[in-house]
Amino acid sequence: AQSVTQLDSHVSVSEGTPVLLRCNYSSSYSPSLFWYVQHPNKGLQLLLKYTSAATLVKGINGFEAEFKKSETSFHLTKPSAHMSDAAEYFCVVRMQGDYKLSFGAGTTVTVRA
Amino acid sequence: DAGVTQSPTHLIKTRGQQVTLRCSPKSGHDTVSWYQQALGQGPQFIFQYYEEEERQRGNFPDRFSGHQFPNYSSELNVNALLLGDSALYLCASRDGGMLGYGYTFGSGTRLTVV
Repeated sequence: AQSVTQLDSHVSVSEGTPVLLRCNYSSSYSPSLFWYVQHPNKGLQLLLKYTSAATLVKGINGFEAEFKKSETSFHLTKPSAHMSDAAEYFCVVRMQGDYKLSFGAGTTVTVRA
Repeated sequence: DAGVTQSPTHLIKTRGQQVTLRCSPKSGHDTVSWYQQALGQGPQFIFQYYEEEERQRGNFPDRFSGHQFPNYSSELNVNALLLGDSALYLCASRDGGMLGYGYTFGSGTRLTVV
């Protein structure tokens, strides 16, 4: 069963405009949630994580995400996109009692000058 | 502080051969996981090692095996390679006592099977 769904396979924004990447998860309990970024031919870098503390999570490079249990969502936002934000973004969930990370299919972000 | 180190970075093998990939975890991390990332897809969990034992396994055939050494480094072995095994193989490590924390990933080994 799919445990994490990224609602957009591709997002294109203009430099300086907001970015929104949407993610929904399926879990009966509060999971641990993460956003990772992968630049071309690179490994995965952790942007931010939610671990049942504050529902608004701030990450690196100006990204933040809000955990909404009622909507089972964990959307990633950034107020102003930069050219260097062009990359693949993965929403990731770790279910309670599970050791593995389950990745969404990814969202490709392109930034127009 | 060195992060997760994987070797080699690239590898080309022939169908039917065997391959060994290596991973050194981040300093202070004792848990290592392996993931397979096919082109255009998200990483898929292969297995996790902790205290030199396979703690959890994903939906991969027995051709995929691993090992963890006393210094926490790990190997991923794949036997009887298939064309479909071509992928980026990622190693991730974390502190075993910090379940809520994110994993640190290496840059991966790009395996091409011809």
